[in-house]
Amino acid sequence: DAGVTQSPTHLIKTRGQHVTLRCSPISGHKSVSWYQQVLGQGPQFIFQYYEKEERGRGNFPDRFSARQFPNYSSELNVNALLLGDSALYLCASSHAGTRQETQYFGPGTRLLVL
Amino acid sequence: EDQVTQSPEALRLQEGESSSLNCSYTVSGLRGLFWYRQDPGKGPEFLFTLYSAGEEKEKERLKATLTKKESFLHITAPKPEDSATYLCAVQATAMDTGRRALTFGSGTRLQVQP
Repeated sequence: DAGVTQSPTHLIKTRGQHVTLRCSPISGHKSVSWYQQVLGQGPQFIFQYYEKEERGRGNFPDRFSARQFPNYSSELNVNALLLGDSALYLCASSHAGTRQETQYFGPGTRLLVL
Repeated sequence: EDQVTQSPEALRLQEGESSSLNCSYTVSGLRGLFWYRQDPGKGPEFLFTLYSAGEEKEKERLKATLTKKESFLHITAPKPEDSATYLCAVQATAMDTGRRALTFGSGTRLQVQP
């Protein structure tokens, strides 16, 4: 079975631009979460979606938004990019509703803001 | 606020030299503690989930244990291919919202020399 897939793999933007990152979960998984990982740190939670509804939001500004589609894929949008938004953006999917709600991560999208 | 602290930040071992990585945590109510392995530029790879104090899990040369305040990842007779960053994360109970966010530590960078 295919794992979590993300696109694009790499992206270069300039300050003030907008970016859209995409994620397809593991088949059968209905929950998708987004994380930001800056170099040398652990991933930091941004959003979680389940059945197209937002389940949780981390401590990120309103420039960050996300949505989940009927096929459970998801998009993360970031507006008015800042240099500090440069990071690895990770998507994780999980089989929500079970005790072992383990999150499985995709390869990430490396975003560089110049 | 949930917190995870990992130590040491970096560890260099000789092939065959066993050691342990520490993960200390504070969480309002522990739903699960997760260990992941992350190779440079890639997404975290799931290793273990632990749910309650006293629980242990093993996979090849790795063994994870859990107490009420910390978890250990024991590496027995490591090989160079075990070189990676090992991340610890906690998931708190949130029955009202269904939020399942992971709070990560900064990781331990392990290097195993031949």
